[in-house]
Amino acid sequence: SQKIEQNSEALNIQEGKTATLTCNYTNYSPAYLQWYRQDPGRGPVFLLLIRENEKEKRKERLKVTFDTTLKQSLFHITASQPADSATYLCALESSGGSNYKLTFGKGTLLTVNP
Amino acid sequence: NAGVTQTPKFRVLKTGQSMTLLCAQDMNHEYMYWYRQDPGMGLRLIHYSVGEGTTAKGEVPDGYNVSRLKKQNFLLGLESAAPSQTSVYFCASSYSGRNTQYFGPGTRLTVL
Repeated sequence: SQKIEQNSEALNIQEGKTATLTCNYTNYSPAYLQWYRQDPGRGPVFLLLIRENEKEKRKERLKVTFDTTLKQSLFHITASQPADSATYLCALESSGGSNYKLTFGKGTLLTVNP
Repeated sequence: NAGVTQTPKFRVLKTGQSMTLLCAQDMNHEYMYWYRQDPGMGLRLIHYSVGEGTTAKGEVPDGYNVSRLKKQNFLLGLESAAPSQTSVYFCASSYSGRNTQYFGPGTRLTVL
């Protein structure tokens, strides 16, 4: 069956450093992968989408890579700030026949210390 | 635009009671979803809809029913609530199944 693993439940880093979060998957061949941010008591908010034919995608201080051979995505936040503290979720496309939907990882709680 | 809204924000039920959670979106999205989020389990899909008048089962559909009578609304019903249904429920919508999902603020449900 399909399985998504976000390797770290929690990650603590110092302000200004680069945070790297990992998302691994098995028994999938997703056409794309998405990353979301979730703050306590709120719904997830979309950050980035990367397609299977894209190796890397950037948005401001965020960078996502997608390695379909390793079945892994890395999510980087450069020059991290305390405001980046949140839970980050990866989500992969899954299909139920012709209907596409997302399957989410359990998330990694990132804490950026000042 | 209000985006995705959910009603109510909080609710406490007794075992066996019923209730309906309402999700509304004003983005003219075709797809709508109901998820539950539990500690250590992540977001799990309950039911979803690919258009007005359609519904389909997700990963954890047992004990829930849904209806999509209008394109902008997606209702989640609990006919006989159980303590195992204590959770935070999120509604989401997207233009299509392969697009970004927009989430509501969530409903925190406690079943005693």
